[in-house]
Amino acid sequence: KQEVTQIPAALSVPEGENLVLNCSFTDSAIYNLQWFRQDPGKGLTSLLLIQSSQREQTSGRLNASLDKSSGRSTLYIAASQPGDSATYLCAVSHNNNDMRFGAGTRLTVKP
Amino acid sequence: EAQVTQNPRYLITVTGKKLTVTCSQNMNHEYMSWYRQDPGLGLRQIYYSMNVEVTDKGDVPEGYKVSRKEKRNFPLILESPSPNQTSLYFCASRTTGGHSGANVLTFGAGSRLTVL
Repeated sequence: KQEVTQIPAALSVPEGENLVLNCSFTDSAIYNLQWFRQDPGKGLTSLLLIQSSQREQTSGRLNASLDKSSGRSTLYIAASQPGDSATYLCAVSHNNNDMRFGAGTRLTVKP
Repeated sequence: EAQVTQNPRYLITVTGKKLTVTCSQNMNHEYMSWYRQDPGLGLRQIYYSMNVEVTDKGDVPEGYKVSRKEKRNFPLILESPSPNQTSLYFCASRTTGGHSGANVLTFGAGSRLTVL
């Protein structure tokens, strides 16, 4: 059974720093991997989606990489801002119907 | 505005009293899904539906029922709620097809359920 782990569970950084969030999964036979952002009291917002055939995706200050063979993905956030404070979750899908989530990393960016 | 709407957003109920959490989307999405989120466990899939009258179990379906009689609606039914179903519930939808955008889920704002 696929297990998705995110480390660290919480991270606090000063504004302006570049940072990396980690996601690992146990079964490399994935269909895709997504990174989501969750703000308190709100639903999840999809940030980046990486298909199994891709190595990375970029959107603005965000870059997500995927290494299927090692079962890892990273979310890189450049020049962090207080508005980036949220919980970030990664999720992997095997067949585009199921989706297994990590427990998330709670990010705080201090002004 | 394209959105997934869940109701109620907050509910406190007692053990055994049947309840329904509604989910509606206005994007003509074929796929809809329910998740529960618990501290330290992330989101876990309860049920999903590929289209009208087509539903399937996720990882944690016990104690829940769903129906998909219309494309826009996917209600989650708790026939006899128990305290271990106290959780934050999310509904999500997406389109299907071969293009990459078909994989991106749109989530509702969540429904916080407490069963006493």
